[in-house]
Amino acid sequence: DAEITQSPRHKITETGRQVTLACHQTWNHNNMFWYRQDLGHGLRLIHYSYGVQDTNKGEVSDGYSVSRSNTEDLPLTLESAASSQTSVYFCASSESVQAPLYFGPGTRLTVT
Amino acid sequence: GQNIDQPTEMTATEGAIVQINCTYQTSGFNGLFWYQQHAGEAPTFLSYNVLDGLEEKGRFSSFLSRSKGYSYLLLKELQMKDSASYLCAVVDSNYQLIWGAGTKLIIKP
Repeated sequence: DAEITQSPRHKITETGRQVTLACHQTWNHNNMFWYRQDLGHGLRLIHYSYGVQDTNKGEVSDGYSVSRSNTEDLPLTLESAASSQTSVYFCASSESVQAPLYFGPGTRLTVT
Repeated sequence: GQNIDQPTEMTATEGAIVQINCTYQTSGFNGLFWYQQHAGEAPTFLSYNVLDGLEEKGRFSSFLSRSKGYSYLLLKELQMKDSASYLCAVVDSNYQLIWGAGTKLIIKP
């Protein structure tokens, strides 16, 4: 069965460290997204990609970067982790912009 | 600016019916999604409306009125497992998804 996975599921890191969160999907979807979810804010878009070599900034992209070298993967990198980046991160993919999103299980990141 | 409003929290009784409202003000409209999210889990797709009217899917129905910028999710025969947050999201004119903050639904026996 097709799926979307994220790793690690939990991560504790220190301020200033570089962190990479992995996202892998086997749906063969062109569209992939990274969201963060914090209490009181709902889902906020960090970066998204509509295909290989395509990346775009979302509403809260500062301090984050992504790269898309193949269809299956969209890793999210925090260049220099900050306490404000403590959050739950969800990766998602979709067949098209008007198709449902399939979410990964999430990564809970704590920056100390 | 773009805005989606949902009640923060609602409480209902097992076996009853509950309606969760969503009003939106967005730059254009290309569809509206409802997602369910249980605590500690990822959101999962419930419904999609792009035309006015009611879409029924088992115990769940979703209604859309584009002229009023309004949608609701109707849950019938409530079960304890329906305790979750319900997220409304609108596809705007640039085909970007605009998310509401979600409605936490508490089901009491």
